[in-house]
Amino acid sequence: AQTVTQSQPEMSVQEAETVTLSCTYDTSENNYYLFWYKQPPSRQMILVIRQEAYKQQNATENRFSVNFQKAAKSFSLKISDSQLGDTAMYFCAFMRGRGADGLTFGKGTHLIIQP
Amino acid sequence: DTAVSQTPKYLVTQMGNDKSIKCEQNLGHDTMYWYKQDSKKFLKIMFSYNNKELIINETVPNRFSPKSPDKAHLNLHINSLELGDSAVYFCASSPSGRVYEQYFGPGTRLTVT
Repeated sequence: AQTVTQSQPEMSVQEAETVTLSCTYDTSENNYYLFWYKQPPSRQMILVIRQEAYKQQNATENRFSVNFQKAAKSFSLKISDSQLGDTAMYFCAFMRGRGADGLTFGKGTHLIIQP
Repeated sequence: DTAVSQTPKYLVTQMGNDKSIKCEQNLGHDTMYWYKQDSKKFLKIMFSYNNKELIINETVPNRFSPKSPDKAHLNLHINSLELGDSAVYFCASSPSGRVYEQYFGPGTRLTVT
């Protein structure tokens, strides 16, 4: 079974600062995907970024980038130039590359961007 | 045009009742899922289903059952509701061969009193 650990229940930074959210995972799989999802107060689940385990290059999406360390089983999310709208719960998630057994989530980090 | 829709958005009911939450996707996807988010915001997969296979998370009580009348729908039936069933339930879908593309519904907040 896979596990995903987010060790920061809550973080708070000032607007325009850079913030890094941590995530570690445990799996015996070699083929898998990692994700960061954002959940604002509206509760909608929004995909922030996805990383394929077979790709060595770190994924980036505008102000969002990841630091994927496969050997260390670490997958952190960096948000640059943070904005008030980034305030939300952020979930790290894992999915096996084979099969359709869904996402395994971490417990989430509540990120607060202060004006 | 909502890709994945759920009805109702809110559901308040009493212990012991049986209820259903409907999920519909208009994306032509083959696989659908149900997730539960508890009061501490923890998200957990409950079921995944395509026309060939139902995968059940072993921790889900058998009071919960998914029903798929057709490829576009995966409804969640809950029997003998308990206080601990209070949560937000999310439906999601993904296309065949690209299960990593998960499209989530808006969620249904179930409150059991």
